Amino acid sequence: DAGVIQSPRHEVTEMGQEVTLRCKPISGHDYLFWYRQTMMRGLELLIYFNNNVPIDDSGMPEDRFSAKMPNASFSTLKIQPSEPRDSAVYFCASWRGVRGYTFGSGTRLTVV
Amino acid sequence: SQQGEEDPQALSIQEGENATMNCSYKTSINNLQWYRQNSGRGLVHLILIRSNEREKHSGRLRVTLDTSKKSSSLLITASRAADTASYFCATDNQGAQKLVFGQGTRLTINP
Repeated sequence: DAGVIQSPRHEVTEMGQEVTLRCKPISGHDYLFWYRQTMMRGLELLIYFNNNVPIDDSGMPEDRFSAKMPNASFSTLKIQPSEPRDSAVYFCASWRGVRGYTFGSGTRLTVV
Repeated sequence: SQQGEEDPQALSIQEGENATMNCSYKTSINNLQWYRQNSGRGLVHLILIRSNEREKHSGRLRVTLDTSKKSSSLLITASRAADTASYFCATDNQGAQKLVFGQGTRLTINP
């Protein structure tokens, strides 16, 4: 298995632009999580899905953030419009309900 | 916030020495997990300990859990340069499916 695959690895965008981050979870994992990591705030859970259904989006910072999971093998996190304070590393993780989460390598987002 | 808190924030030791990191949390848990993060990479799951367990081993890793003190420790024995990384504890105290991570301990192993 290739693990959790995130794209792109790095994204640099201008303030006000739309940003879309992508994630392919491990096949058979029915939970998918989006986390954001910054030096100041550490790892924050943004939203998670179970069987493609959003369960808890209480960590989404504001309406500029949205996430979808149209099928079991794909999820997106969209920021529109982006702001400099959105600069962070965004991680996707998947889980099959036992043991620990499997994380992707992350997308480093820089908004200038 | 119900984040765990790791202590110390940073630890630097010589190769071959043992490294101990601590984690405290605030509410009841089902399990506690430890993860490692190498620079520029995602987190890797190391070990899970359930609330009814007191100690668990995996290779050079030893984890203890004291639910009465709401604390856990991670011991890495005979450290190697490759153990240099950040280590995070995570708890499920907000629901079994949702992990909350601490701020991490940055471990440096000097050759």
